Amino acid sequence: RKEVEQDPGPFNVPEGATVAFNCTYSNSASQSFFWYRQDCRKEPKLLMSVYSSGNEDGRFTAQLNRASQYISLLIRDSKLSDSATYLCAATYNQGGKLIFGQGTELSVKP
Amino acid sequence: DGGITQSPKYLFRKEGQNVTLSCEQNLNHDAMYWYRQDPGQGLRLIYYSQIVNDFQKGDIAEGYSVSREKKESFPLTVTSAQKNPTAFYLCASRPTDSNQPQHFGDGTRLSIL
Repeated sequence: RKEVEQDPGPFNVPEGATVAFNCTYSNSASQSFFWYRQDCRKEPKLLMSVYSSGNEDGRFTAQLNRASQYISLLIRDSKLSDSATYLCAATYNQGGKLIFGQGTELSVKP
Repeated sequence: DGGITQSPKYLFRKEGQNVTLSCEQNLNHDAMYWYRQDPGQGLRLIYYSQIVNDFQKGDIAEGYSVSREKKESFPLTVTSAQKNPTAFYLCASRPTDSNQPQHFGDGTRLSIL
């Protein structure tokens, strides 16, 4: 089993749709969680950190469920510019490595 | 501007040749990382370093080597022992505090001639 797993998609949605991504992690000792966005042939860029109480940034909402060991990302009112690959990541120890999921591809169509 | 600089952006390697990818950061981050990404795949950890003069193997270290002589620099050498080096290589850094995210350089694309 991979340490961090995501549905690779692709998710094809119309503009204005709400789309949700889930990401599961295998190590219950994981401490911190993040969502990154990666455009084609570019480096990943931090989208948002995921806090225990859940957090929102505009159209984006991130949630953490420690009991079930998954994190989620909800995108409301999808824009064409949201088309990208979304990567989740989890850390395992203090200052240590960050493990990434394989990414979920999102394509928003007009 | 503060950030992570990777060079070169594109690199070509001949069979049997070692090549070194540069990664420099001026963010005063303690930890630095090297990842490899193949087309349509996620990021796989090659090596990481949490402090100067110390580094650890990641999941796919075979055929690669690193050094961490300065806090700002974490070069990656792709040796001739790496039989399938064609990939997108990403360097990242972050403070030792594990609650902080990693930030990435803009990557180096390595291809075999």
